[in-house]
Amino acid sequence: EADIYQTPRYLVIGTGKKITLECSQTMGHDKMYWYQQDPGMELHLIHYSYGVNSTEKGDLSSESTVSRIRTEHFPLTLESARPSHTSQYLCASSEWEGTTMNTEAFFGQGTRLTVV
Amino acid sequence: EDQVTQSPEALRLQEGESSSLNCSYTVSGLRGLFWYRQDPGKGPEFLFTLYSAGEEKEKERLKATLTKKESFLHITAPKPEDSATYLCAGKSGTYKYIFGTGTRLKVLA
Repeated sequence: EADIYQTPRYLVIGTGKKITLECSQTMGHDKMYWYQQDPGMELHLIHYSYGVNSTEKGDLSSESTVSRIRTEHFPLTLESARPSHTSQYLCASSEWEGTTMNTEAFFGQGTRLTVV
Repeated sequence: EDQVTQSPEALRLQEGESSSLNCSYTVSGLRGLFWYRQDPGKGPEFLFTLYSAGEEKEKERLKATLTKKESFLHITAPKPEDSATYLCAGKSGTYKYIFGTGTRLKVLA
């Protein structure tokens, strides 16, 4: 079944540690996104990618970095985690508009990150 | 500035009590208005896409409608399992989805 997967679902880690949040999709989508969501707040875009070797920063400034070496994989890395990074991180993907009318984004289950 | 505003913030309904959720938007060059359902601790689940004013889409007890300034999510005879946060988003350009803060719906048995 085509889907989008995020691991881990929950992560509690100490300050200063390096972490990588994984995101993979099996839908063959060119576009992928990382959003940050705090309780009761809207989703904020922190990174997006149009395809392999394409990554851009989103509207919300973030100390994280991303890479897109394979179409299906879009990991997010924090070199040195801080308590201010505590949040829910959501990965999403969508088709390229030029080939379809289906412009909706599909989301993974999220990673709840707590930095202590 | 592109903006999506949802109301009410929270809504409590008795089972079977129909109601509507509102999404007001100002999004330049709107390329789709989306509704999602989000359960606690999970990612948003896609429900509907609307592209032009007057368009309507239905799925079980949910019906989404679109005007030039607003979208409504109508819930007919809701059940407790419909309890969730409902998110609205407008798409501007090729990558930008502008999300509202959502309506937290609680349906009481």
